[in-house]
Amino acid sequence: GAVVSQHPSWVICKSGTSVKIECRSLDFQATTMFWYRQFPKQSLMLMATSNEGSKATYEQGVEKDKFLINHASLTLSTLTVTSAHPEDSSFYICSAQGQGGNEQYFGPGTRLTVT
Amino acid sequence: GESVGLHLPTLSVQEGDNSIINCAYSNSASDYFIWYKQESGKGPQFIIDIRSNMDKRQGQRVTVLLNKTVKHLSLQIAATQPGDSAVYFCAENISGNFNKFYFGSGTKLNVKP
Repeated sequence: GAVVSQHPSWVICKSGTSVKIECRSLDFQATTMFWYRQFPKQSLMLMATSNEGSKATYEQGVEKDKFLINHASLTLSTLTVTSAHPEDSSFYICSAQGQGGNEQYFGPGTRLTVT
Repeated sequence: GESVGLHLPTLSVQEGDNSIINCAYSNSASDYFIWYKQESGKGPQFIIDIRSNMDKRQGQRVTVLLNKTVKHLSLQIAATQPGDSAVYFCAENISGNFNKFYFGSGTKLNVKP
């Protein structure tokens, strides 16, 4: 149980375009989802916290207009990188948390390359 | 975010030996900690957790020690195996802080056969 998927697993896009990444909890309802970014050989940096049906809470320094997060249902959150630039190239990882629990279940990550 | 760091960026051990991975955290209000294992190109995988009302917790082949006085965590892996090779992160959480976790910088564990 507690499986989280991400789609796509990797994506290459051109500079200036937008890319949408999906995060799904497959066998449980996720009241809260988290989005992280990880640059090569670095740690996971929390970008934002998203609760179903409400606006996402962004960490300091993360541009909310650039990284649009939608958590429209208890099993799906999306991250849209708008007007992507090469410096946005990174590994984006989501995690999902069920109601009443502390543990986060991580997705397999999405590798974004912006050319 | 919070500051969680590690003393050693890489650790090489011989198969069968015990491994100790360390982590320092800066926020004394943190009261829940998790160790994660991340293999290349994959998401983090839960290993073991510990709450601040404990100083030791054991799992299968793994033990986490928490020293709140010096804000230090360690992960001990017994009889390290090649499959343990990965990057290990500690993550800290403050209860009530929307269950947000902040990750340390990671230690790469290389297990030599």
